[in-house]
Amino acid sequence: GAVVSQHPSWVICKSGTSVKIECRSLDFQATTMFWYRQFPKQSLMLMATSNEGSKATYEQGVEKDKFLINHASLTLSTLTVTSAHPEDSSFYICSARPLGQGINYGYTFGSGTRLTVV
Amino acid sequence: KNQVEQSPQSLIILEGKNCTLQCNYTVSPFSNLRWYKQDTGRGPVSLTIMTFSENTKSNGRYTATLDADTKQSSLHITASQLSDSASYICVVSAQYSGGGADGLTFGKGTHLIIQP
Repeated sequence: GAVVSQHPSWVICKSGTSVKIECRSLDFQATTMFWYRQFPKQSLMLMATSNEGSKATYEQGVEKDKFLINHASLTLSTLTVTSAHPEDSSFYICSARPLGQGINYGYTFGSGTRLTVV
Repeated sequence: KNQVEQSPQSLIILEGKNCTLQCNYTVSPFSNLRWYKQDTGRGPVSLTIMTFSENTKSNGRYTATLDADTKQSSLHITASQLSDSASYICVVSAQYSGGGADGLTFGKGTHLIIQP
């Protein structure tokens, strides 16, 4: 089945530094990947849609200069949290849908990255 | 506004018992409804996906139902096990009109605890 690998699974960084999170589709290609943020006991909130070879589409209220997304290949999307602050501490999750599959095909989620900014 | 409401917010049951989780939605135009299981600190894992024409789908001890007329879905868990302790998230997809996300609306989830 479709597998999405997300790395790292957790990271602690100092305030003001940048952190990169990787999302890889291991056994399929994905032109589109999605980045979510989840606070404790809350639902997933879509941050942005990552499109291979083009600019990401950000949801309203998400700072594109703070959350840099790069989707350089059909199997890799990265999210960089720049100048991280403690309020950026959260659980970040990516998902992907195999190339050529319609919206009725199930999404595969990564295992998530727990970011703690100190 | 598209919304997905799940109930109960949390549920505690004894191991071996059955339980049913509810999902009501106002997403339109409807495309499909998915149930996911999310273990603490992990990404969601798909359990079932149903389109408009499907009213029930099973995956092992998990059975999802869909009533597109009343815009309700349920997830029934049979003979619960300790490993079923997790959050269960209902996600409804609107028909894709191109660009951006695929119109997914997430519920807040039901936090299920199975006690021995």
